[in-house]
Amino acid sequence: AIQMTQSPSSLSASVGDRVTITCRASQGIGNDLSWYQQKPGKAPNLLIYAASSLQSGVPSRFSGSGSGTDFTLTISSLQPEDFATYYCLQDYSYPWTFGQGTRVEIK
Amino acid sequence: QVQLVQSGAEVKKPGASVKVSCKASGYTFTSYYIHWVRQAPGQGLEWMGKINPSGGSTSYAQKFQGRVTMTSDTSTSTVYMELSSLRSEDTAVYYCARRDCSSTSCYFEYWGQGTLVTVSS
Repeated sequence: AIQMTQSPSSLSASVGDRVTITCRASQGIGNDLSWYQQKPGKAPNLLIYAASSLQSGVPSRFSGSGSGTDFTLTISSLQPEDFATYYCLQDYSYPWTFGQGTRVEIK
Repeated sequence: QVQLVQSGAEVKKPGASVKVSCKASGYTFTSYYIHWVRQAPGQGLEWMGKINPSGGSTSYAQKFQGRVTMTSDTSTSTVYMELSSLRSEDTAVYYCARRDCSSTSCYFEYWGQGTLVTVSS
């Protein structure tokens, strides 16, 4: 199974900060990666698919990049509603695998 | 609008089985695979498997092979996930999610609300 290593596991940031989360695949996965935001008690919410395509309705401060093994989710200017946990997911091959998650907390 | 509505919370004893349902609406049921993902308390997301509602073919994560069964009922647009031989480590929120695909990649745009399964003696 492809392993997805996400970093950092948590970070503290202030409103307005630029935040970067990375996901590394144990083998090349092309651009078969999506990013999700999850708030406590809620189902995950799709932010980015195909590594860099912004899901409809998601604010443009979210962006994704990368291909192959290294991927990045960037929040250009952190907003209060962005404090949550973020996960990457590879759909290159079964079993699909998630990163361990990155918790974004208020500094 | 697309909706996936799951059945309610369950409490089960170790060794028992649980069957969680996921009722789809707002789209052609047989046109999209449904996947199941679980999340133990305070932990990350774990992919369990998938079912093609058109025909019922399934694929399961090796970890759950032999314990999980996913089925679909096209007459009610409902997918089921049954997990047997439950143990305390199976305590988790179980989500169904619809697989959508772009020209190059797939993802989960629509999710059920989650079903908490608690395994306790």
